[in-house]
Amino acid sequence: AQTVTQSQPEMSVQEAETVTLSCTYDTSESDYYLFWYKQPPSRQMILVIRQEAYKQQNATENRFSVNFQKAAKSFSLKISDSQLGDAAMYFCAYRTALNSGYALNFGKGTSLLVTP
Amino acid sequence: GAVVSQHPSRVICKSGTSVKIECRSLDFQATTMFWYRQFPKQSLMLMATSNEGSKATYEQGVEKDKFLINHASLTLSTLTVTSAHPEDSSFYICSAIGQGEQYFGPGTRLTVT
Repeated sequence: AQTVTQSQPEMSVQEAETVTLSCTYDTSESDYYLFWYKQPPSRQMILVIRQEAYKQQNATENRFSVNFQKAAKSFSLKISDSQLGDAAMYFCAYRTALNSGYALNFGKGTSLLVTP
Repeated sequence: GAVVSQHPSRVICKSGTSVKIECRSLDFQATTMFWYRQFPKQSLMLMATSNEGSKATYEQGVEKDKFLINHASLTLSTLTVTSAHPEDSSFYICSAIGQGEQYFGPGTRLTVT
């Protein structure tokens, strides 16, 4: 079974600064998808960014970018120019590429605090 | 974009009663839906996979007789918590697969008194 590890239970960043959230995973598969989800206090899960394992280029969505290191099985999220609205729980997730009918496997999450 | 709704958003029930939570895909058909449970300050834990027209597949440790899942149509899956107890109090989130992507509902907070 695939495991997803987020080693930082809590992180803090000052507004306008940059923060990196770490995620590592364990899998024997060669093709898969990785995701970062944001869960604000409303608890609605929001997709931040996704990465397909067969793509070497790191995914980017505006202020959010990832550093995908396939050999190291590492998938970190960088948030640039942090904003107060970025404060939330962030979950890293894995999904096999074999079939889209498989559920996501989540890490334990990182709580991000943004200070003014 | 694809929208998934859940009803109710909050429910309080007495111990020993049953409660039903609905998950609907509003603008797409979903042959597969998932039910997750999330305790405070914890991650989402998959409870079961719901496939339209067939029996749900439950994760290890989830009691299928306690958490009844019915996926009777391509847009609706229901989770019924039977004989609820205070330890069943949690946040329940459904998600649905549409066009290869997974879309999450807003969740249902269940409190059993």
